[in-house]
Amino acid sequence: NAGVTQTPKFRVLKTGQSMTLLCAQDMNHEYMYWYRQDPGMGLRLIHYSVGEGTTAKGEVPDGYNVSRLKKQNFLLGLESAAPSQTSVYFCASSLEGYEQYFGPGTRLTVT
Amino acid sequence: EDQVTQSPEALRLQEGESSSLNCSYTVSGLRGLFWYRQDPGKGPEFLFTLYSAGEEKEKERLKATLTKKESFLHITAPKPEDSATYLCAVSAGNMLTFGGGTRLMVKP
Repeated sequence: NAGVTQTPKFRVLKTGQSMTLLCAQDMNHEYMYWYRQDPGMGLRLIHYSVGEGTTAKGEVPDGYNVSRLKKQNFLLGLESAAPSQTSVYFCASSLEGYEQYFGPGTRLTVT
Repeated sequence: EDQVTQSPEALRLQEGESSSLNCSYTVSGLRGLFWYRQDPGKGPEFLFTLYSAGEEKEKERLKATLTKKESFLHITAPKPEDSATYLCAVSAGNMLTFGGGTRLMVKP
């Protein structure tokens, strides 16, 4: 099993550009999450999903959108990137909402 | 609002020098307290879940304990490969609230 995978690993965007980050899990988990990790701020939840077709806002949802069309995939979109969205993004999944298993991360730089 | 505070922010140990990391929390209706290890450039790796005060979990040189207000991660005779950032998180619903982490450095 690959666990949780994230695509791409690195990305550089210019202000105003858009992009989509892809998260995939092969553990048949119901719950999926998107976090961002910034120095001094720790891990903060952006959006999450408790099942296929559902999404919910986390702590810092502004400027991001998500979709969960298939159980195994969770997409994070940035419609108009801003320098404040420069961060490392982690996806995680969980079977029943307890232990979460994280992907390797995507390092995004917005110039 | 759920809050998690970890101390110290950084800890330097000599190989074999045992110590403890602290995680203090306030949460309404604790569903679980989680410990993770994070190596530079990688995602957090799950270590333990503790569900109720008095519970203990062990894995190799690590032992996690839980009280009603805090959790400790005890590291016995650490080795350089134990160097990492250790994260604590609490769950009171569908979401985890993370602490800022403790960066552990073990020198040979």
